[in-house]
Amino acid sequence: DAGVTQSPTHLIKTRGQQVTLRCSPKSGHDTVSWYQQALGQGPQFIFQYYEEEERQRGNFPDRFSGHQFPNYSSELNVNALLLGDSALYLCASSHSGGADEQYFGPGTRLTVT
Amino acid sequence: QKEVEQDPGPLSVPEGAIVSLNCTYSNSAFQYFMWYRQYSRKGPELLMYTYSSGNKEDGRFTAQVDKSSKYISLFIRDSQPSDSATYLCAIREYGNKLVFGAGTILRVKS
Repeated sequence: DAGVTQSPTHLIKTRGQQVTLRCSPKSGHDTVSWYQQALGQGPQFIFQYYEEEERQRGNFPDRFSGHQFPNYSSELNVNALLLGDSALYLCASSHSGGADEQYFGPGTRLTVT
Repeated sequence: QKEVEQDPGPLSVPEGAIVSLNCTYSNSAFQYFMWYRQYSRKGPELLMYTYSSGNKEDGRFTAQVDKSSKYISLFIRDSQPSDSATYLCAIREYGNKLVFGAGTILRVKS
């Protein structure tokens, strides 16, 4: 049973560029949440997708957007990258609209130069 | 005041010691509490998931929730060098988003 997978593993971008990160949930899960983890900090909630809609959002600007596909996989898009966007981006999947345990993928490490 | 407070450590203990990791939280309405373990440059791994007050045991790990004092704990018995990691407490808020503490770095010396 494959767990949560994320791609790419690492990414280096320049300020002002745009980036797309991808996530495939654990088999049987229908909800995907995205988190940003800065170095030395706990993960911060960005948003959650269920039934292809954003159902909850954290305190992140509109530069952060997402999408969920019919197969439950998800993308996180970040526009106009800032140096402060450098972080580990984590995807977590869960069942039943997020009301169950959330399981995390390995993350995508984004470096903005 | 942060919603979840956690001492970042590092906490250094000898192999075989009992480890106590703790968090405090601010909102008494929280009902679901989790502990995750995160190795360096990896994603968090769910260790324990508890609802409301009381204890939950799984092998060498015991999670404890005291809602009256808004205090959650994770105890690790017979600690091993492989337990060296960052331990994150998390609370599930309304709408199912998780709010994390900053994480405690644990080092178990052999």
